[in-house]
Amino acid sequence: GESVGLHLPTLSVQEGDNSIINCAYSNSASDYFIWYKQESGKGPQFIIDIRSNMDKRQGQRVTVLLNKTVKHLSLQIAATQPGDSAVYFCAETSTDSWGKLQFGAGTQVVVTP
Amino acid sequence: DTAVSQTPKYLVTQMGNDKSIKCEQNLGHDTMYWYKQDSKKFLKIMFSYNNKELIINETVPNRFSPKSPDKAHLNLHINSLELGDSAVYFCASSQGASGGPRELFFGEGSRLTVL
Repeated sequence: GESVGLHLPTLSVQEGDNSIINCAYSNSASDYFIWYKQESGKGPQFIIDIRSNMDKRQGQRVTVLLNKTVKHLSLQIAATQPGDSAVYFCAETSTDSWGKLQFGAGTQVVVTP
Repeated sequence: DTAVSQTPKYLVTQMGNDKSIKCEQNLGHDTMYWYKQDSKKFLKIMFSYNNKELIINETVPNRFSPKSPDKAHLNLHINSLELGDSAVYFCASSQGASGGPRELFFGEGSRLTVL
């Protein structure tokens, strides 16, 4: 499944499938990007980050892709599990902004059995 | 061990009251933040302190006053509460910016409801 995270859309994914969550960021000066996962009633949790000198980074079951030309970020989750159900946020910041993270609108991921 | 802890978790109060939310981090970080999350889940930064010094102050009504007694604590006091202040307030911390920005570690949130 695929989604653009602008108005908290919902991405429904079948358990075991791969998920792709997209994010368009706004500031061309941003050089650090993070994906966060927020489960219901909890605070955002760090998933993976990427700096602007890279275009791909892999973690455990997750991959972040960065396309600076079109200011686009995506998060791929392999073999989606029920525990992946949450709201996912992309966030951007720049080295000279004291860690002031600007968050995207979020995408709700619902994993169905 | 809770890394970033904030209290209270829930707060229900009347318009016009004054309330405080406290935050503490045991990660040894030198930068702390307050974020506000509205009903549409949008997260917006309010304030940031680095070593007790205010470094980010977004366009927030001056009814909101942060206070950092030391680098492990950042409290948020809100005067004359309004209906629009109802939201979830998240405290966060990060290591300093030398070497580039780092990820933020968030608390569990404090849900404020103004009646």
